[in-house]
Amino acid sequence: QSVLPQPPSASGSPGQRVTISCSGSSSNIGSNSVNWYQQLPGTAPKLLIYSNNQRPSGVPDRFSGSKSGTSASLAISGLQSEDEADYYCAAWDDSLNGPLFGGGTKLTVL
Amino acid sequence: QVTLKESGPALVKPTQTLTLTCTFSGFSLTTRGTRMGWIRQPPGRALEWLARIDWDDDKYYPTSLRARLAISKDAFRNQVFLTLTNTAPIDTATYFCARIPFRGSDFDYWGQGLLVTVSS
Repeated sequence: QSVLPQPPSASGSPGQRVTISCSGSSSNIGSNSVNWYQQLPGTAPKLLIYSNNQRPSGVPDRFSGSKSGTSASLAISGLQSEDEADYYCAAWDDSLNGPLFGGGTKLTVL
Repeated sequence: QVTLKESGPALVKPTQTLTLTCTFSGFSLTTRGTRMGWIRQPPGRALEWLARIDWDDDKYYPTSLRARLAISKDAFRNQVFLTLTNTAPIDTATYFCARIPFRGSDFDYWGQGLLVTVSS
């Protein structure tokens, strides 16, 4: 598995709630924690969620993460225009012996 | 305040060796538990992990690139280096360095990235 599958795109209107999924296997999501990154256009990724559902200091509580079995999800509530970005999941992969990233989901705020 | 910044050539010719430097501040690679990594992103594509180095000089690479990559550090100068040999156009990407916190496997601080183009 070269990347963790994510939907290529997602969209929502301001104020709505959107969810982005991330699929894995027993060697990554199934046995390790999931992290989520937000990448605004032309910038470096920013850590959004770590250890499945923990938010770093400064990340609004509109962002939340969850994990079940070999899948994970990122939820964004109260969608804002500044949330328009690419979102990547990542999890340690035991076969890779390193982090495996998702393919990325481009979020459009309508 | 934690900062990281990548430096190196913007353009390399195919088959040449690419050497990148990450200069950081706000933490130390001599501290037990500190780790750093390199990640790249081809234009319009996803992130790909390249290498990791730990405070005790343990090093890790993905199998697919192990033969071409080398990560090293000068902890006292707060620098980490990445060497990629035998470059090809497919290696064109933005290269990021990032810190891995003691708590887990995430990258909590990232450099701004450096776009490297491999072209003749």
